[in-house]
Amino acid sequence: RKEVEQDPGPFNVPEGATVAFNCTYSNSASQSFFWYRQDCRKEPKLLMSVYSSGNEDGRFTAQLNRASQYISLLIRDSKLSDSATYLCVVILFRGSSASKIIFGSGTRLSIRP
Amino acid sequence: NAGVTQTPKFQVLKTGQSMTLQCAQDMNHEYMSWYRQDPGMGLRLIHYSVGAGITDQGEVPNGYNVSRSTTEDFPLRLLSAAPSQTSVYFCASSSLGLAEETQYFGPGTRLLVL
Repeated sequence: RKEVEQDPGPFNVPEGATVAFNCTYSNSASQSFFWYRQDCRKEPKLLMSVYSSGNEDGRFTAQLNRASQYISLLIRDSKLSDSATYLCVVILFRGSSASKIIFGSGTRLSIRP
Repeated sequence: NAGVTQTPKFQVLKTGQSMTLQCAQDMNHEYMSWYRQDPGMGLRLIHYSVGAGITDQGEVPNGYNVSRSTTEDFPLRLLSAAPSQTSVYFCASSSLGLAEETQYFGPGTRLLVL
């Protein structure tokens, strides 16, 4: 089983729609979680961190469910510019320093006019 | 700050050739890593380092070597290139010991092995 798994998509939704992705992780020692965005032929860039209490940044909401070991990303009122691949990232800590950072394989989102 | 830089941007190799992909960061980050990304696939971790002199294998280390003699540099060596190593290679860095650790990526090296 992969340490971090995502639905690869593609998700093809109309502009203005709400779309949600999940990402599951297998190691219960995982302690930090992030969503990254990657545009075609570009490097990944941080979209937002995922906090235990859930957090929102404009149209984007991230949530963490430790009991079921998954994180989610919700995008409201989607824009054409949201078309990208969304990668979830999990950090495994040892002591006070991060020992391993694991990327999911990404969920591809395409917004149509 | 230049952030994370990678050279070359593009490279074509013949099967059996060796080469080194360069990665450097000027943010004094302890953690550095190399990933490969194949069409339609996500990032797969090749090797990583949690500090100078310390390296470890990731998910797909075979055919690659790394070293970390300084905090700034983390070169990736292809020992004997194979067509299966055709990919886009990303180097990334982040600081350690913090609750929030953003990964900073270089622009990538596109490698074609014939």
